[in-house]
Order: sequence, then C-alpha cells, then structure tokens
Amino acid sequence: AQSVTQLDSQVPVFEEAPVELRCNYSSSVSVYLFWYVQYPNQGLQLLLKYLSGSTLVESINGFEAEFNKSQTSFHLRKPSVHISDTAEYFCAVANPNFGNEKLTFGTGTRLTIIP
Amino acid sequence: ETGVTQSPTHLIKTRGQQVTLRCSSQSGHNTVSWYQQALGQGPQFIFQYYREEENGRGNFPPRFSGLQFPNYSSELNVNALELDDSALYLCASSRMTSGGQETQYFGPGTRLLVL
Repeated sequence: AQSVTQLDSQVPVFEEAPVELRCNYSSSVSVYLFWYVQYPNQGLQLLLKYLSGSTLVESINGFEAEFNKSQTSFHLRKPSVHISDTAEYFCAVANPNFGNEKLTFGTGTRLTIIP
Repeated sequence: ETGVTQSPTHLIKTRGQQVTLRCSSQSGHNTVSWYQQALGQGPQFIFQYYREEENGRGNFPPRFSGLQFPNYSSELNVNALELDDSALYLCASSRMTSGGQETQYFGPGTRLLVL
C-alpha cells in the first residue's frame, strides 16, 4: 500500500516571499509523483509531475518540485509567491505497475498569501 | 481547462435516495476514474473504468457503482444515500496505452449534499 503525508495543513506566506510545501510518501515500489492545485470551488488542476528522468520538475507558473528517493519526499517550492497562488495544494502518488494507477492523495495544504 | 466536464454542478438529495453523476472525458482519453473528496480532505479513489469495464476499485461499498459508455463518457451511481456521502465527486480522464496509463486530468466536480 502507498500513502502520502503533507505535514502542513495551512501555510501563510507574505506576498513575494518564498514558500515550500512539504510532501512525503510511502511506497514499497517505484512511484509516479504529482502536485495538483485546487482553487476555491473548483476541481483539481495538474501543477507538475515526476514520472522518470530528472528529479527536478518545473511548472509553467514558477513552481518546482524535487524527487528525493532517499528521503521519500517531493516538496513543492516557489521562490516568490503571488496573491493568485492562494489555493489548496495536493500531493499525490501513483504506482506505475498497479495496472490502473489510481492516485493516492495527501490531505492537502492550504496556501494563503498575505498582501 | 482540461476538457473534462461533469454534470450537474450541484445536487441536493435526502437520505435513502439514489443519485447519478455524469462525466464526459477529454477527447482521446479512454479511461475514467472517480474520486470522492469530503470537506477538508484529499480525494479518495472510488473506481476506474477502462474499455467499459471496472479496472480497479477503492474502499467503497457496492452501493457505489459505475458505467462507462462506448464514447468513453461515464456515470457514477450511488444508491441508498447516507449523510456521509456528502462530498465533491471528481471525475478524471486519461489515456491507457500499452506503455501504461498517462496523466489523469480532472473535471470541475459535482458537489453532492445529502440531507
């Protein structure tokens, strides 16, 4: 079985400050890792993903995440946040060998940007 | 926008009733997964459909059932509704190939309230 732990339920950050949202996973096999963002009253949008290759992955809006196999982590970072980044962020893991690759999500981190 | 649509957007039912939620997949996708997101929680995998057959199921009772149609659209049916079924129901579509399943893209969700 696999699981995801998002250590912080809420993270307040001042505008233009850096932020890190933490994600740790547990799995006995290789994994795919994802970050999804959910804006108020909306569904989930894919932010970035790690499938294989380079352990550092980037999104088009300035977020990046690094896959660390030894620490079983996939933390999300942004060097300078904007008001528009206010949202709920979900880390998810999938097992590529499972057959249906269901996503197992963490409980989410609510990012609040303070003007 | 992901191209995945869901209907209705909101729904109110009473305990014991039955409900049907609908999802239209993104063009070119042949796999549909359903997730339940309770308030303040991460999404939980309900089941997945591939080529009109169930292809994996999460820890949900049999009163949660589904269908996938030849055009790859899908329905989620819930019988004998309970108060705890109140949640946001998310549909995600993806493409399954010989190389495995590709990234899942989510619709905006249907918010179900059971009174």
